[in-house]
Amino acid sequence: LAKTTQPISMDSYEGQEVNITCSHNNIATNDYITWYQQFPSQGPRFIIQGYKTKVTNEVASLFIPADRKSSTLSLPRVSLSDTAVYYCLVGALGGRRALTFGSGTRLQVQP
Amino acid sequence: DAGVTQSPTHLIKTRGQQVTLRCSPKSGHDTVSWYQQALGQGPQFIFQYYEEEERQRGNFPDRFSGHQFPNYSSELNVNALLLGDSALYLCASSHSGGSLSYNEQFFGPGTRLTVL
Repeated sequence: LAKTTQPISMDSYEGQEVNITCSHNNIATNDYITWYQQFPSQGPRFIIQGYKTKVTNEVASLFIPADRKSSTLSLPRVSLSDTAVYYCLVGALGGRRALTFGSGTRLQVQP
Repeated sequence: DAGVTQSPTHLIKTRGQQVTLRCSPKSGHDTVSWYQQALGQGPQFIFQYYEEEERQRGNFPDRFSGHQFPNYSSELNVNALLLGDSALYLCASSHSGGSLSYNEQFFGPGTRLTVL
């Protein structure tokens, strides 16, 4: 299983762009990169997923370089409600795939 | 659609006791996975049920067992509770046949288990 490495924590202010980078040096050819968000006392929530280059949805953007050994989750203009733990996951696709979570990045957004 | 629901919300047990946690998947989903999340850690995969059978299992002892019913709901049972079993237990549902484009599982709010 591809192991991921993320910063333990990050701080930001409202209105700023936040970039969280995840390292996954052993990513396999058929692995995708998926990010989840978790608020306190709630289950994780899917944010975005990608294979290569750039993916954007209404919540975030995901940048993946050509070698795919890292990825960056970009949150535009964060608000207080974006304070959460963000997990980077790497693995093959499929509704029956067990998800492997690391320790995540704890993002604290200040007013 | 109520999404994934879990019961109870909180539970307090003592060492050696047994506990049963329940999960109802999101409408249209047939696969249920269970995760254990210790304080300050990411969720750890326990096992997954599909077609009423355990299909995958993580690195958890046999004290952890489960069941899936014909309506796709699921139970997690833990026997001989240890202090270290105190955690948030999360249920996640997905659709086995679809979701080939995503690694998206829908999580419930979890059951907070405290073992004293």
